[in-house]
Amino acid sequence: EIVMTQSPATLSVSPGESVTLSCRAGQSISNKLAWYQHKPGQGPRLLIYGASTRAPGIPARFSGSGSGTEFTLTISSLQSEDFAVYYCQQYNDWPPYTFGQGTNLEIK
Amino acid sequence: QVQLVESGGGVVQPGRSLRLSCAASGFTFTGYAMHWVRQAPGKGLEWVAFISHDENNIYYTDSVKGRFTISRDNSKNTLYLQMNNLRAEDTALYYCARDYHGGKSDYWGQGTLVTVSA
Repeated sequence: EIVMTQSPATLSVSPGESVTLSCRAGQSISNKLAWYQHKPGQGPRLLIYGASTRAPGIPARFSGSGSGTEFTLTISSLQSEDFAVYYCQQYNDWPPYTFGQGTNLEIK
Repeated sequence: QVQLVESGGGVVQPGRSLRLSCAASGFTFTGYAMHWVRQAPGKGLEWVAFISHDENNIYYTDSVKGRFTISRDNSKNTLYLQMNNLRAEDTALYYCARDYHGGKSDYWGQGTLVTVSA
């Protein structure tokens, strides 16, 4: 099983700022990495797949990068609706598909 | 528009069974693989099970193998999760999700809560 580790666990940021979230895989997963946004009372929302491809309808302020074991999600000019929990997920070596433990992006 | 609506959750005693359903609409259900993913209280997301569009490929996370069964009825556009011999650690919000080109999920339901407690 591939362990996914996200950092930091919590990030406090002000609206308008930019932020970078990190995700590390326990072994190489090529570019088979997805990012999700999760808000209370809703299902997760796919933001990025293939490490850097935005899902349909996702604003350009969300960008992903990385390959192998190190990945990042950058959100530029944070808006109020961006405050949520963010998960990375690997789909290179499965089963099982595995998620990181999440980064809680909160308003400062 | 794509909709996934889970149902069937509730409070159940350890060792008992429960069947979750996920009603799909707004897309050609028969063309997509599906997943069940859960989130225990205060925890992150955990993938539970996968079923291909034609039911020929089925996979489970180790902790539910032999206890949970994923299935689908393509004539009813419905995904199921039969959960037997439930344990306290199965307590979670269970989501169904549509597979998007191999492993990631592009649409999710809002979840149904399963609580296993004596």
